[in-house]
Amino acid sequence: SAVISQKPSRDICQRGTSLTIQCQVDSQVTMMFWYRQQPGQSLTLIATANQGSEATYESGFVIDKFPISRPNLTFSTLTVSNMSPEDSSIYLCSVEGGAYGYTFGSGTRLTVV
Amino acid sequence: AQSVTQLDSQVPVFEEAPVELRCNYSSSVSVYLFWYVQYPNQGLQLLLKYLSGSTLVKGINGFEAEFNKSQTSFHLRKPSVHISDTAEYFCAVTPRGGGFKTIFGAGTRLFVKA
Repeated sequence: SAVISQKPSRDICQRGTSLTIQCQVDSQVTMMFWYRQQPGQSLTLIATANQGSEATYESGFVIDKFPISRPNLTFSTLTVSNMSPEDSSIYLCSVEGGAYGYTFGSGTRLTVV
Repeated sequence: AQSVTQLDSQVPVFEEAPVELRCNYSSSVSVYLFWYVQYPNQGLQLLLKYLSGSTLVKGINGFEAEFNKSQTSFHLRKPSVHISDTAEYFCAVTPRGGGFKTIFGAGTRLFVKA
Protein backbone atom coordinates (compact mmCIF):
# COMPACT_ATOMS: atom_id res chain seq x y z
CA SER A 1 0.00 0.00 0.00
CA ALA A 2 0.98 3.63 -0.42
CA VAL A 3 3.06 5.53 2.11
CA ILE A 4 2.00 9.08 2.96
CA SER A 5 4.18 11.78 4.48
CA GLN A 6 2.09 14.47 6.15
CA LYS A 7 3.40 17.69 7.66
CA PRO A 8 3.42 19.51 9.92
CA SER A 9 2.69 16.88 12.55
CA ARG A 10 1.36 19.53 14.92
CA ASP A 11 1.07 23.28 15.18
CA ILE A 12 -0.28 25.95 17.49
CA CYS A 13 -1.71 28.90 15.59
CA GLN A 14 -3.19 32.26 16.38
CA ARG A 15 -6.83 32.84 15.54
CA GLY A 16 -7.36 34.63 12.27
CA THR A 17 -4.28 33.09 10.63
CA SER A 18 -4.07 30.24 8.10
CA LEU A 19 -2.21 26.95 8.10
CA THR A 20 -1.33 24.83 5.08
CA ILE A 21 -0.99 21.08 5.54
CA GLN A 22 0.95 19.04 3.01
CA CYS A 23 0.66 15.39 2.02
CA GLN A 24 3.15 13.61 -0.19
CA VAL A 25 2.43 10.09 -1.45
CA ASP A 26 5.13 7.68 -2.60
CA SER A 27 3.09 6.56 -5.62
CA GLN A 28 0.67 8.10 -8.07
CA VAL A 29 -2.93 8.07 -6.88
CA THR A 30 -6.04 9.36 -8.57
CA MET A 31 -7.95 10.46 -5.51
CA MET A 32 -6.84 11.94 -2.23
CA PHE A 33 -9.13 12.58 0.71
CA TRP A 34 -8.99 15.07 3.55
CA TYR A 35 -10.60 14.26 6.90
CA ARG A 36 -11.11 16.15 10.14
CA GLN A 37 -11.14 14.46 13.53
CA GLN A 38 -12.42 16.75 16.23
CA PRO A 39 -11.38 16.05 19.82
CA GLY A 40 -12.85 12.78 21.04
CA GLN A 41 -14.83 12.25 17.86
CA SER A 42 -14.72 10.19 14.72
CA LEU A 43 -13.59 11.18 11.25
CA THR A 44 -15.52 13.54 9.01
CA LEU A 45 -14.72 13.81 5.32
CA ILE A 46 -13.90 17.38 4.30
CA ALA A 47 -13.32 16.92 0.60
CA THR A 48 -12.08 14.66 -2.17
CA ALA A 49 -9.22 15.97 -4.29
CA ASN A 50 -8.70 14.79 -7.86
CA GLN A 51 -5.71 15.90 -9.88
CA GLY A 52 -6.63 18.42 -12.54
CA SER A 53 -10.05 19.33 -11.21
CA GLU A 54 -11.66 21.23 -8.39
CA ALA A 55 -11.98 19.41 -5.10
CA THR A 56 -15.41 18.10 -4.15
CA TYR A 57 -16.49 19.34 -0.74
CA GLU A 58 -18.85 17.62 1.67
CA SER A 59 -21.80 19.32 3.22
CA GLY A 60 -20.70 21.83 5.82
CA PHE A 61 -17.30 22.48 4.28
CA VAL A 62 -16.55 25.26 1.81
CA ILE A 63 -13.65 26.10 -0.44
CA ASP A 64 -13.10 29.55 1.06
CA LYS A 65 -12.47 28.01 4.47
CA PHE A 66 -10.61 24.87 3.33
CA PRO A 67 -8.94 25.51 -0.04
CA ILE A 68 -7.29 22.41 -1.48
CA SER A 69 -4.62 22.08 -4.12
CA ARG A 70 -3.79 18.96 -6.10
CA PRO A 71 -1.03 19.93 -8.53
CA ASN A 72 0.00 16.36 -9.42
CA LEU A 73 -0.78 12.71 -8.70
CA THR A 74 1.46 12.47 -5.63
CA PHE A 75 0.84 15.69 -3.70
CA SER A 76 -1.96 17.70 -2.12
CA THR A 77 -2.36 20.54 0.34
CA LEU A 78 -5.21 21.58 2.60
CA THR A 79 -5.32 25.11 3.98
CA VAL A 80 -7.34 25.96 7.07
CA SER A 81 -8.14 29.65 6.64
CA ASN A 82 -9.03 32.39 9.08
CA MET A 83 -8.78 29.97 11.95
CA SER A 84 -10.82 30.02 15.13
CA PRO A 85 -10.56 27.79 18.22
CA GLU A 86 -13.34 25.63 16.75
CA ASP A 87 -10.89 24.55 14.03
CA SER A 88 -8.71 22.81 16.62
CA SER A 89 -8.69 19.22 15.38
CA ILE A 90 -6.60 16.52 13.83
CA TYR A 91 -6.52 16.78 10.05
CA LEU A 92 -5.74 13.64 8.08
CA CYS A 93 -5.08 13.00 4.43
CA SER A 94 -5.70 9.60 2.92
CA VAL A 95 -5.58 7.69 -0.34
CA GLU A 96 -7.07 4.59 -1.96
CA GLY A 97 -10.30 3.81 -0.20
CA GLY A 98 -13.16 1.86 -1.73
CA ALA A 99 -12.65 -1.87 -1.36
CA TYR A 100 -8.98 -1.40 -0.56
CA GLY A 101 -9.54 0.57 2.58
CA TYR A 102 -7.78 3.84 3.26
CA THR A 103 -4.14 4.53 3.86
CA PHE A 104 -3.80 7.55 6.13
CA GLY A 105 -1.11 10.07 6.80
CA SER A 106 0.05 10.45 10.39
CA GLY A 107 -2.16 13.48 10.93
CA THR A 108 -1.70 17.15 11.77
CA ARG A 109 -2.71 18.16 15.29
CA LEU A 110 -3.86 21.75 15.11
CA THR A 111 -4.50 23.92 18.14
CA VAL A 112 -5.88 27.40 17.58
CA VAL A 113 -5.42 29.90 20.41
CA ALA B 1 -27.60 5.88 3.58
CA GLN B 2 -25.26 4.08 5.92
CA SER B 3 -24.60 4.37 9.63
CA VAL B 4 -22.15 2.72 11.98
CA THR B 5 -22.63 2.22 15.70
CA GLN B 6 -19.82 1.21 17.98
CA LEU B 7 -21.57 0.05 21.08
CA ASP B 8 -18.82 0.78 23.58
CA SER B 9 -17.00 4.09 23.83
CA GLN B 10 -14.39 2.64 26.20
CA VAL B 11 -13.29 -0.91 26.95
CA PRO B 12 -10.87 -1.48 29.83
CA VAL B 13 -9.31 -4.93 29.97
CA PHE B 14 -6.41 -6.62 31.70
CA GLU B 15 -3.38 -7.74 29.78
CA GLU B 16 -3.64 -11.27 28.30
CA ALA B 17 -7.43 -11.23 28.61
CA PRO B 18 -9.66 -11.62 25.54
CA VAL B 19 -11.49 -8.63 24.15
CA GLU B 20 -14.39 -7.96 21.81
CA LEU B 21 -15.14 -4.54 20.34
CA ARG B 22 -18.64 -4.35 18.97
CA CYS B 23 -19.77 -2.76 15.73
CA ASN B 24 -23.23 -2.71 14.19
CA TYR B 25 -24.06 -1.07 10.92
CA SER B 26 -27.09 -0.09 8.92
CA SER B 27 -27.20 0.12 5.14
CA SER B 28 -29.71 -0.20 2.33
CA VAL B 29 -26.99 -1.60 0.03
CA SER B 30 -24.22 -4.12 0.37
CA VAL B 31 -21.11 -2.75 2.01
CA TYR B 32 -17.44 -3.41 2.55
CA LEU B 33 -16.50 -3.46 6.24
CA PHE B 34 -13.31 -2.27 7.88
CA TRP B 35 -11.60 -1.90 11.23
CA TYR B 36 -8.93 0.74 11.74
CA VAL B 37 -6.65 1.35 14.71
CA GLN B 38 -5.30 4.72 15.82
CA TYR B 39 -2.39 4.62 18.25
CA PRO B 40 -1.71 7.72 20.34
CA ASN B 41 -0.49 10.64 18.25
CA GLN B 42 -0.69 8.69 15.02
CA GLY B 43 -2.95 8.42 11.99
CA LEU B 44 -5.29 5.51 11.34
CA GLN B 45 -4.00 2.13 10.21
CA LEU B 46 -6.09 -0.54 8.50
CA LEU B 47 -6.46 -3.59 10.77
CA LEU B 48 -8.61 -5.79 8.57
CA LYS B 49 -11.42 -5.73 6.05
CA TYR B 50 -14.32 -7.85 4.87
CA LEU B 51 -15.06 -7.79 1.17
CA SER B 52 -16.70 -11.17 0.49
CA GLY B 53 -16.29 -14.88 1.13
CA SER B 54 -15.47 -16.27 4.55
CA THR B 55 -17.20 -14.31 7.26
CA LEU B 56 -14.22 -14.62 9.60
CA VAL B 57 -11.38 -12.34 8.59
CA LYS B 58 -7.97 -12.11 10.15
CA GLY B 59 -5.98 -8.95 10.38
CA ILE B 60 -2.71 -7.67 11.72
CA ASN B 61 -1.52 -7.93 15.31
CA GLY B 62 -3.62 -11.02 16.02
CA PHE B 63 -7.00 -9.36 15.57
CA GLU B 64 -9.92 -10.97 13.78
CA ALA B 65 -13.48 -9.97 13.02
CA GLU B 66 -16.62 -11.82 12.08
CA PHE B 67 -19.21 -10.53 9.65
CA ASN B 68 -22.77 -11.42 10.60
CA LYS B 69 -25.14 -10.41 7.85
CA SER B 70 -28.35 -11.24 9.70
CA GLN B 71 -27.33 -9.16 12.70
CA THR B 72 -25.54 -6.54 10.58
CA SER B 73 -22.56 -6.74 12.87
CA PHE B 74 -18.81 -6.82 12.42
CA HIS B 75 -17.31 -7.36 15.87
CA LEU B 76 -13.56 -7.23 16.41
CA ARG B 77 -11.86 -9.78 18.67
CA LYS B 78 -8.49 -10.68 20.04
CA PRO B 79 -7.95 -13.73 22.26
CA SER B 80 -5.16 -12.17 24.34
CA VAL B 81 -4.38 -8.46 24.42
CA HIS B 82 -1.12 -6.70 25.13
CA ILE B 83 -0.40 -3.33 26.66
CA SER B 84 0.63 -2.18 23.17
CA ASP B 85 -2.94 -2.74 21.93
CA THR B 86 -4.06 0.33 23.86
CA ALA B 87 -5.48 2.55 21.13
CA GLU B 88 -8.66 3.87 19.53
CA TYR B 89 -10.43 1.46 17.21
CA PHE B 90 -12.78 2.58 14.43
CA CYS B 91 -15.28 0.49 12.51
CA ALA B 92 -16.12 1.74 9.02
CA VAL B 93 -18.35 0.85 6.06
CA THR B 94 -18.10 1.67 2.38
CA PRO B 95 -20.99 0.99 -0.02
CA ARG B 96 -20.18 -1.47 -2.78
CA GLY B 97 -20.15 0.24 -6.12
CA GLY B 98 -20.77 3.53 -4.39
CA GLY B 99 -17.45 5.16 -4.90
CA PHE B 100 -15.30 5.99 -1.93
CA LYS B 101 -17.78 7.45 0.56
CA THR B 102 -16.88 5.77 3.84
CA ILE B 103 -18.73 6.16 7.12
CA PHE B 104 -16.74 5.78 10.33
CA GLY B 105 -18.06 4.82 13.72
CA ALA B 106 -17.45 7.01 16.74
CA GLY B 107 -14.58 4.84 17.92
CA THR B 108 -13.89 2.56 20.88
CA ARG B 109 -11.05 3.34 23.24
CA LEU B 110 -9.34 0.08 24.26
CA PHE B 111 -7.32 0.47 27.43
CA VAL B 112 -5.18 -2.51 28.39
CA LYS B 113 -4.12 -2.61 32.02
CA ALA B 114 -1.16 -4.49 33.47
